[in-house]
Amino acid sequence: QVQLKESGPGLVKPSETLSLTCTVSGFSLTSYHVSWVRQPPGKGLEWMGVIWGDGSTAYNSALKSRLSISRDTSKSQVFLKMSSLKTEDTATYYCARDLSYWGQGVMVTVSS
Amino acid sequence: DVVMTQTPVSLPVSLGGQASISCRSSQSLVHSNGNTYLHWYLQKPGQSPQLLIYRVSNRFSGVPDRFSGSGSGTDFTLKISRVEPEDLGDYYCLQSTHFPYTFGAGTKLELK
Repeated sequence: QVQLKESGPGLVKPSETLSLTCTVSGFSLTSYHVSWVRQPPGKGLEWMGVIWGDGSTAYNSALKSRLSISRDTSKSQVFLKMSSLKTEDTATYYCARDLSYWGQGVMVTVSS
Repeated sequence: DVVMTQTPVSLPVSLGGQASISCRSSQSLVHSNGNTYLHWYLQKPGQSPQLLIYRVSNRFSGVPDRFSGSGSGTDFTLKISRVEPEDLGDYYCLQSTHFPYTFGAGTKLELK
């Protein structure tokens, strides 16, 4: 069955770079797109960006200068890198296959 | 960016009753390909969002027929009939017609 699981550090310092991994199973990354979505504590959802089946990407313009999404199809993994972290980047980060199937999310706190 | 205005913010319901949530977009969600990419999600406490309805009115796999979606252009509605305890949580609409994809701010469905 379709599964996605996010992993990464729970705590990152301000100004540092966040690196998250989404490991998928049950489908091919070359056939489906994967988005990253985040949710600050107690708040709503924000779409961050997507990597399409052909490997091309699109980003939320609000984050574009800091955000990079890539993948390793041989490992069935999608990566998110976001630089220059601020405290307001504290959130649960989700990856989602075509916004239909979602991972459990990973909580990231940005604090010194 | 397309602004998704979701109402109400909070919706008290009785078990067995009916609920209706509105989502209005700041511009038409009809894609150049003729499809309308408006979707509905439920996020139960402590869980990831789960897809209920895709492209306005299509129920996702396993979603009971108590959930129905309707609308067109800029005005959309999610209806829940015969509300059950497992329906309680936060509901979000999402548009994926225009970049960046944007979510409504959410509606909390709670017991009256």
